[in-house]
Amino acid sequence: QKEVEQNSGPLSVPEGAIASLNCTYSDRVSQSFFWYRQYSGKSPELIMSIYSNGDKEDGRFTAQLNKASQYVSLLIRDSQPSDSATYLCAVNLGAGNMLTFGGGTRLMVKP
Amino acid sequence: DVKVTQSSRYLVKRTGEKVFLECVQDMDHENMFWYRQDPGLGLRLIYFSYDVKMKEKGDIPEGYSVSREKKERFSLILESASTNQTSMYLCASSFRTGPYGYTFGSGTRLTVV
Repeated sequence: QKEVEQNSGPLSVPEGAIASLNCTYSDRVSQSFFWYRQYSGKSPELIMSIYSNGDKEDGRFTAQLNKASQYVSLLIRDSQPSDSATYLCAVNLGAGNMLTFGGGTRLMVKP
Repeated sequence: DVKVTQSSRYLVKRTGEKVFLECVQDMDHENMFWYRQDPGLGLRLIYFSYDVKMKEKGDIPEGYSVSREKKERFSLILESASTNQTSMYLCASSFRTGPYGYTFGSGTRLTVV
């Protein structure tokens, strides 16, 4: 059983729409949650982190965390073609600063 | 600007060669990691190190070894390169404790022919 799960997609949204990316995880004691963006052929880039239940906003990005339901999501408002990438969810599942990554969701924003 | 630097962006090696991939970070991070990434398989952890001269096997250590003689440098070694080691190799680093994410290097695309 995978410990961090994401729908692989592709998730296709029109330009200007809200893209919603979801991630579920297995360990109730997880404390730290991260979203990475990875363009094709490039390395992952950290775009959001969240540690407490609720929403955290940064520009067009909002991370949402629900520890009781064990899911974390990323909303991208006013999606742009430049947002087309694979988005990786990462969770600190155990002791120490060790992250477990989901398989990623490929997002396609169509003009 | 903080950085994780991988020595080569693209590399082509022959089967059986010994291959060294170098990674250097300037953030005083204790943890360093080597991943490989293949289409449909996501990120797979090869080895990690939480301190100088310390190393731990990840999920797929077979055919690889690592070296960490200095805090800022973590090397991945392919003892005898094989075609199934053709992949994108990603180095990352982080602090040992605290709610911090990883910082990734730009990656090395290795082709073994």
